[in-house]
Amino acid sequence: EIVMTQSPASLSVSPGERDTLSCRASQTVNSNLAWYQQKPGQAPRLLIYGASTRATGIPARFSGSGSGTEFTLTISSLQSEDFAVYYCQQYNSWPLTFGQGTKVEIK
Amino acid sequence: EVQLLDSGGGLVQPGGSLRLSCSASGITFSSYGMIWVRQAPGEGLEWVSAISGSGGSTYYADSVKGRFSISRDNSNNTLYLQMSSLRADDTAVYYCARRSGFSSGWSDYWGQGTLVTVSS
Repeated sequence: EIVMTQSPASLSVSPGERDTLSCRASQTVNSNLAWYQQKPGQAPRLLIYGASTRATGIPARFSGSGSGTEFTLTISSLQSEDFAVYYCQQYNSWPLTFGQGTKVEIK
Repeated sequence: EVQLLDSGGGLVQPGGSLRLSCSASGITFSSYGMIWVRQAPGEGLEWVSAISGSGGSTYYADSVKGRFSISRDNSNNTLYLQMSSLRADDTAVYYCARRSGFSSGWSDYWGQGTLVTVSS
């Protein structure tokens, strides 16, 4: 099983600041990596797939990078609606696995 | 517009059974693989099961293998998860989600979730 490890577990950020979240895979997942955003009481929402491609309707302030085992999600200027939990997920091999999540809170 | 509507959750006793459904609209259902993902209270996301567009291939997490069964009815655009021998640690919100491809890929559309509570 590929273990996905996200860091940090949580962080406090002021609106307008830049934010970088990390995701590491225990073995290569090539570029088969997605990022999701989840707000309380809501289903996850796809942000990024293929490690760096924004999903339909996702603002340009969200960007993804990386390949192999190291990935990052960057939010260039945090808006109030961006405070949420972010998960990475590998879909390279079975079982599909998620990171434990990074909670982005308002400072 | 793509819509996935999860249903079938509820309170069940340990050892009991439950069948979840996910009704899809706005898509050519048989063209897409589907998955179930669950989230225990206050916890992260856990993949549970997957099925290819035709239903010919199925996959399970070790935690549910032998107890859960995924299936689909492409004529009625509906995905199912039959759960049996339920345990307290199966308590979670269960989400269905569409995969981007026939049998692989990311999950681009999600249902709203249905809560399963296993308790006596």
